[in-house]
Amino acid sequence: DGGITQSPKYLFRKEGQNVTLSCEQNLNHDAMYWYRQDPGQGLRLIYYSQIVNDFQKGDIAEGYSVSREKKESFPLTVTSAQKNPTAFYLCASSPPGTVYNEQFFGPGTRLTVL
Amino acid sequence: GQQVMQIPQYQHVQEGEDFTTYCNSSTTLSNIQWYKQRPGGHPVFLIQLVKSGEVKKQKRLTFQFGEAKKNSSLHITATQTTDVGTYFCAGGGKLIFGQGTELSVKP
Repeated sequence: DGGITQSPKYLFRKEGQNVTLSCEQNLNHDAMYWYRQDPGQGLRLIYYSQIVNDFQKGDIAEGYSVSREKKESFPLTVTSAQKNPTAFYLCASSPPGTVYNEQFFGPGTRLTVL
Repeated sequence: GQQVMQIPQYQHVQEGEDFTTYCNSSTTLSNIQWYKQRPGGHPVFLIQLVKSGEVKKQKRLTFQFGEAKKNSSLHITATQTTDVGTYFCAGGGKLIFGQGTELSVKP
């Protein structure tokens, strides 16, 4: 089955620790995205990548870092510099040739920092 | 910066009643997309509108894009319990998401 996988589904970390969230897709999509979702708010863009070895900051990139070494993978690191990291994190990808970025989302990772 | 506002934030309806959520942008949008997120799930793409005044239907769902391309609406006729979830609009080239409307349906 083609799709986007995120692991783990739930993640608990102590304050001050960095944590890396996994995102893998086998859809052959070029573009990949990371969003953060908080209760009562829409999705906010953290980082996006349109091609391997290239990525851009979104609206709330501070305290986060990413890499795009392979087309299939776009891991997100939540660093200790992120002031309020507890949230639901969603990874998405877009198919090639799409002008307006229809997005396919993974199941998400719910991060809780204690 | 560009903002996309969505109202209402919550809507509770009796099964069989209609439901509408509205999306308004501070600037003209190149396109508008709608997503549905079931409780505990992830957003799923429903539809995309591109043309001014465009109207699209998916069974009981009707999507409209305003003439000025600054607003959009999603209307559900005769809601069912399977319609429960949060509906998001998202617009523009970088897809700015609205806050979402959470729909609950009482059987």
